[in-house]
Amino acid sequence: GENVEQHPSTLSVQEGDSAVIKCTYSDSASNYFPWYKQELGKRPQLIIDIRSNVGEKKDQRIAVTLNKTAKHFSLHITETQPEDSAVYFCASLTGGGNKLTFGTGTQLKVEL
Amino acid sequence: GAVVSQHPSRVICKSGTSVKIECRSLDFQATTMFWYRQFPKQSLMLMATSNEGSKATYEQGVEKDKFLINHASLTLSTLTVTSAHPEDSSFYICSAPDPGRYGYTFGSGTRLTVV
Repeated sequence: GENVEQHPSTLSVQEGDSAVIKCTYSDSASNYFPWYKQELGKRPQLIIDIRSNVGEKKDQRIAVTLNKTAKHFSLHITETQPEDSAVYFCASLTGGGNKLTFGTGTQLKVEL
Repeated sequence: GAVVSQHPSRVICKSGTSVKIECRSLDFQATTMFWYRQFPKQSLMLMATSNEGSKATYEQGVEKDKFLINHASLTLSTLTVTSAHPEDSSFYICSAPDPGRYGYTFGSGTRLTVV
């Protein structure tokens, strides 16, 4: 089955700096890659997603890049703010099914 | 957007008892519902997939007789944790394919504590 690895597990940045989180996947048939932000005790919130026919997508301070050849995708957050502090999960959807496989998560802390 | 309502949000039960968690799709029909479990500081792990009108599909290592899933209607899926034990204490979240966009919508989660 699909395996999604996520790095780093923790990330501390200064307010205003950029944050980058990287994920790799194993199933070449995967075709959808969402990123979720989860605050403690809350449901995951979709912040951005990308489909396999696109290499990059941007939404204000958030961007995602996808390299299908290398089977990795990254989340980029620019001009970080304290409210960006949360756990971020990447995920992949295999083309052969409809199950999301989640990465292990990254605890992002934006310090003042 | 599509909303999945999950109840209860928190439940504390005694060891050996059963607990039922409900997920309802509001304003849309969810033929499929995914059930996840999330232990503290860990990722979401898929437990099972329920399909309306048919048996649920369980992931490897998940006990079917312990985690009973019922998807009797197009708007309701339930997860019953039977004979709960402290190690079943976790955050349980349901999710359904979003009919309005490519992606998924999540319930608000249930924090289960077994004492």
